[in-house]
Amino acid sequence: AQSVTQLGSHVSVSEGALVLLRCNYSSSVPPYLFWYVQYPNQGLQLLLKYTSAATLVKGINGFEAEFKKSETSFHLTKPSAHMSDAAEYFCAVSYNQGGKLIFGQGTELSVKP
Amino acid sequence: DTGVSQDPRHKITKRGQNVTFRCDPISEHNRLYWYRQTLGQGPEFLTYFQNEAQLEKSRLLSDRFSAERPKGSFSTLEIQRTEQGDSAMYLCASSFPRTEPDTEAFFGQGTRLTVV
Repeated sequence: AQSVTQLGSHVSVSEGALVLLRCNYSSSVPPYLFWYVQYPNQGLQLLLKYTSAATLVKGINGFEAEFKKSETSFHLTKPSAHMSDAAEYFCAVSYNQGGKLIFGQGTELSVKP
Repeated sequence: DTGVSQDPRHKITKRGQNVTFRCDPISEHNRLYWYRQTLGQGPEFLTYFQNEAQLEKSRLLSDRFSAERPKGSFSTLEIQRTEQGDSAMYLCASSFPRTEPDTEAFFGQGTRLTVV
């Protein structure tokens, strides 16, 4: 079955430190990959997406992610964390099934001052 | 355009009651999706529409759940005989795919259902 695994349900970093949120997918067919952010009691906002163009994808708020087919990974990074980055982050995949998204379980990012 | 709108934002209901949620997509978006998100989990796909046609339903969508999009604009999700396990955030998303695959879904703020 197609699935997405996010390693670490909680990640805590200091303000100004590197943010690394991990995502692996299971599929023999390269999917389309997404990262979404969710603030408390809010919907999901798209951070970035990979759709088979450049493997390094830049998104909003200084985030970027790199698609690595050999590792079936799509990890999200940001060089310097800001307090406003504290939120829940979801990795998702789509396999061209009408745009249906399959989400990981999420990683809660905390940023310490 | 104010984005995807969901109503109500919060709903508390007693077990066994019926509830209905509404989603207004972004204007001219022809695809509309429903997802369910339980506490501490990622959203799970429930169903989606292209215009007024319901093209796919998840096995998560039991017989107590029904979704409609009668005129291809807004959609409703009804849950009959609610159970405590139905407590979740129900998210709606819409898109207008200019290319396939569809990669640009916009989410609403969700309806949080609590069944007591």
